[in-house]
Amino acid sequence: GQNIDQPTEMTATEGAIVQINCTYQTSGFNGLFWYQQHAGEAPTFLSYNVLDGLEEKGRFSSFLSRSKGYSYLLLKELQMKDSASYLCAAVDSNYQLIWGAGTKLIIKP
Amino acid sequence: GAVVSQHPSRVICKSGTSVKIECRSLDFQATTMFWYRQFPKQSLMLMATSNEGSKATYEQGVEKDKFLINHASLTLSTLTVTSAHPEDSSFYICSATTGSSYNEQFFGPGTRLTVL
Repeated sequence: GQNIDQPTEMTATEGAIVQINCTYQTSGFNGLFWYQQHAGEAPTFLSYNVLDGLEEKGRFSSFLSRSKGYSYLLLKELQMKDSASYLCAAVDSNYQLIWGAGTKLIIKP
Repeated sequence: GAVVSQHPSRVICKSGTSVKIECRSLDFQATTMFWYRQFPKQSLMLMATSNEGSKATYEQGVEKDKFLINHASLTLSTLTVTSAHPEDSSFYICSATTGSSYNEQFFGPGTRLTVL
């Protein structure tokens, strides 16, 4: 079956760095998305990786290892507004998005 | 750019009534639109994929007669929840893409449906 695993909840301190991991098992692979979702709102796009390696975009970076079925989202210089759920979604061979359950990130002062 | 609107943002209705939710791409033509449902503290669950001018493709377990989807134009898709029941109460989110599903999906703000 197809499966996405990510931690349910993480806590970090304002100004620090946090890494949110995601492992995936899909039938075929056509890339992986990270989305941010604040409570009661729709997801917003953060990143898309299809090749191995790290992609940096401001305070957020996303890494992919296709051979390991693994990705992470790295958030630097954490701000209180970064408190949200972070959703990992992999694209399978049918170009369908397989969504993880999301990681709730709690930022403390 | 790439803005998707959804209307209404919140609706409360009585059991047995039908509710229509609109999803519009405001500044681009959406060849494909997706409808998701999200229960509290759970991930997004894809309900159906719709392409303009053709019938929607429903995910397994989603009743097509209960959740009617119409994608009449490249900028508008509607989801009608027919004969809604309390268990249909959820957060419904649409998204749109200009290409295949592996392209970036632009999400609408969501519609909170509460069925009494």
